[in-house]
Amino acid sequence: GAVVSQHPSRVICKSGTSVKIECRSLDFQATTMFWYRQFPKQSLMLMATSNEGSKATYEQGVEKDKFLINHASLTLSTLTVTSAHPEDSSFYICSAREALADLWETQYFGPGTRLLVL
Amino acid sequence: ILNVEQSPQSLHVQEGDSTNFTCSFPSSNFYALHWYRWETAKSPEALFVMTLNGDEKKKGRISATLNTKEGYSYLYIKGSQPEDSATYLCASNILTGGGNKLTFGTGTQLKVEL
Repeated sequence: GAVVSQHPSRVICKSGTSVKIECRSLDFQATTMFWYRQFPKQSLMLMATSNEGSKATYEQGVEKDKFLINHASLTLSTLTVTSAHPEDSSFYICSAREALADLWETQYFGPGTRLLVL
Repeated sequence: ILNVEQSPQSLHVQEGDSTNFTCSFPSSNFYALHWYRWETAKSPEALFVMTLNGDEKKKGRISATLNTKEGYSYLYIKGSQPEDSATYLCASNILTGGGNKLTFGTGTQLKVEL
């Protein structure tokens, strides 16, 4: 149980294009999903918290107009990197927390998306 | 300690060896400590969540302890096997003004050799 999928696993795009990444909870409902980014040799860094049916909460330094998050259902959150540039190349990974879970309970992760912007 | 720190960064052991890693975290505003195992090209797998000082959790050959007063957790693997090769991440739930979020360490990369 508690499986999270993420699609695509890898994407290469041209500078200036937009890329959408999907995060789905396959066997549970997730009122809250999280988006992280990881640069080489660094830790997972929280970008934003996505709550179903409301606006995402972005961490300091993360541009909300650059990284659009939509959490329209209890099983799907999307991250769109708009007008991507080479410096946006990174590993993006989502996680989901089960509905009714306490704030400290386990987040279940997807396998991540490797984005390369040329 | 302001960040979550893990040591060592990497570790090579022989099959059958027992090993342990350390996770240090801020002890103030502590809420919970998580351990994950992350194999290449897969999703991080949740191992343990611990909240109370002195907590000890066990899952097969893997166990973890928690000291919230001094801000550290140990992960132990007994009789390492090649399938234990992975990156082990710890993350601390810290209460902040903005809510509650996970702060990760950079991980310990374990390689178990035959």
